[in-house]
Amino acid sequence: KAGVTQTPRYLIKTRGQQVTLSCSPISGHRSVSWYQQTPGQGLQFLFEYFSETQRNKGNFPGRFSGRQFSNSRSEMNVSTLELGDSALYLCASSPLLAKNIQYFGAGTRLSVL
Amino acid sequence: AQSVTQLGSHVSVSEGALVLLRCNYSSSVPPYLFWYVQYPNQGLQLLLKYTSAATLVKGINGFEAEFKKSETSFHLTKPSAHMSDAAEYFCAVRATNAGGTSYGKLTFGQGTILTVHP
Repeated sequence: KAGVTQTPRYLIKTRGQQVTLSCSPISGHRSVSWYQQTPGQGLQFLFEYFSETQRNKGNFPGRFSGRQFSNSRSEMNVSTLELGDSALYLCASSPLLAKNIQYFGAGTRLSVL
Repeated sequence: AQSVTQLGSHVSVSEGALVLLRCNYSSSVPPYLFWYVQYPNQGLQLLLKYTSAATLVKGINGFEAEFKKSETSFHLTKPSAHMSDAAEYFCAVRATNAGGTSYGKLTFGQGTILTVHP
């Protein structure tokens, strides 16, 4: 069974641009969560989606948004990029019945210049 | 609200020595606790989890952790370190409500980088 797939793996953008990151969960998983990882702040929760609905949201500005599609694939969008948005963005999926376990993808490394 | 504190941002051991990575948690409700490992340029891999069953939890690659409610700790151990254990380790907590249902958000510690010397 394929794992969590995140695309692209690496991305370079400039300040003010926007970016969309994609996450395909493990087949059969309906819950998708997003995390931001930086050297200074560590791993921080962005949001969680289940059945196309946002269930939980972290403490990030409105420039960070996400959505989930009917096939459980998820995207997150960051608008008006700032230098501080440079980070590794990790997506995790959870199976419906064992929903306390999250399986992580390899991440998308975003560099904002 | 829940939080996690990992004592020691860097731990160095010799190959074959005991590995002990410390994690203390704070949670107002019974927590679910996890240890993840991250290798360079990779995502997080689940090592083990505690979900209110046995307090001594065995995971992959010879790691285990013991949940001690009185000490609010969930330390990770491995009897004999291997060079391949060199990585960054994260302790995480996930809150549950009174009915035991887990919320979606994982709160992570700051991570401990484990170095293994030959």
